[in-house]
Amino acid sequence: EVQLVESGGGLVKPGGSLRLSCAASGFTFSSYSMNWVRQAPGKGLEWVSYISSGSSFIYYGDSVKGRFTISRDNAKNSLYLQMNSLRAEDTAVYYCASDIYDTNGMDVWGQGTTVTVSS
Amino acid sequence: QSVLTQPPSASGTPGQRVTISCSGSSSTFGPNYVYWYQHLPGTAPKLLIYRNNQRPSGVPDRFSGSKSGTSASLAISGLRSEDEADYYCAIWDDSLSGRVFGGGTKLTVL
Repeated sequence: EVQLVESGGGLVKPGGSLRLSCAASGFTFSSYSMNWVRQAPGKGLEWVSYISSGSSFIYYGDSVKGRFTISRDNAKNSLYLQMNSLRAEDTAVYYCASDIYDTNGMDVWGQGTTVTVSS
Repeated sequence: QSVLTQPPSASGTPGQRVTISCSGSSSTFGPNYVYWYQHLPGTAPKLLIYRNNQRPSGVPDRFSGSKSGTSASLAISGLRSEDEADYYCAIWDDSLSGRVFGGGTKLTVL
């Protein structure tokens, strides 16, 4: 079964750091690009970051550029999001998502992990 | 404010056909494909339409997508109560080197 499972969310103070993980199973992780998408409370979906299968191409949304770092370990079938200098507006459910069915969209999603930035 | 504009809400009765629009600039839409996602609160978003009008395996043919010029539409026919959800259009914007979501449309089945 194709599956993405996020972890690492929690409560962190403004200015703090957190590292999210996404464990992939049921498909050849190293062959596919990955994304992070978030949804703040009461808001819509917001794309956060993209990483290509071999990590050659990495992109970020403007709101996280310079503060967040996406990475992956293909040997461990895992995707990461290092979040630094966290702000209250980073409070959200964070989803990892992949394109494994040749749609060029995000066709497999995890269930999400919640990040709360508050003092 | 997203570069893709969607109506905040839409509604319909069971069995009805509803459409949700998504509009943007010519530089945003241009040659870019449009994608549609369905999101029920508390669950993982689901890809409904890819490359303007293609349905992933398992998505009922009640859902259809189209794109013309600087706008796109998602149509849902034979509306069902389980279609009540938030719907988002999205593109990959080359100028931004990133994906962009519309603001989302909350669909209510009356």
